[in-house]
Amino acid sequence: NAGVMQNPRHLVRRRGQEARLRCSPMKGHSHVYWYRQLPEEGLKFMVYLQKENIIDESGMPKERFSAEFPKEGPSILRIQQVVRGDSAAYFCASSPPPGTVSYEQYFGPGTRLTVT
Amino acid sequence: GESVGLHLPTLSVQEGDNSIINCAYSNSASDYFIWYKQESGKGPQFIIDIRSNMDKRQGQRVTVLLNKTVKHLSLQIAATQPGDSAVYFCAEATGFQKLVFGTGTRLLVSP
Repeated sequence: NAGVMQNPRHLVRRRGQEARLRCSPMKGHSHVYWYRQLPEEGLKFMVYLQKENIIDESGMPKERFSAEFPKEGPSILRIQQVVRGDSAAYFCASSPPPGTVSYEQYFGPGTRLTVT
Repeated sequence: GESVGLHLPTLSVQEGDNSIINCAYSNSASDYFIWYKQESGKGPQFIIDIRSNMDKRQGQRVTVLLNKTVKHLSLQIAATQPGDSAVYFCAEATGFQKLVFGTGTRLLVSP
């Protein structure tokens, strides 16, 4: 049973380019969360999605950032016109559907974005 | 806004000692608390969780204590090993919602 998968693991972009980060949840999980982590800091919530639906995007910057979780395929976090301040580790987590016993979120290995 | 914070940013212990990592939370509506371990370059790894209707839960070598009166959470690691060296985060959640993470405590275990 594969865990949460993220790719790429490392991504380098020049300022102004677009970054696309992918997340495949664990099998059977229908909820995906994206978090951002700066060095030596805790994870900050960005967005919570179900298939074809954004549940909570209260942590997403108003501009340049978007996320989707289509019916088929991985969840995508998209950052347009990247700036140096976007450099961080981006983690995806998935969890079982509501009604299950555990709220546990399982994390992927992260994508480390570097903007030059 | 609500926040979760930690008292000690770095904890150094000797191998074999017991470790205690503390966490304060401020959202009295939180009903679920989790401890994660994060090693360098990796994603957070679930350690143990506890619901708000409990005050203690034990796992293998780890125990989580929840004191709702003072909004305090702690992680106890028995017989700490060098492999336990990592950054430990507490996190809180309300229902099936986002996790709010603390800033982390770095645990350093000396042989």
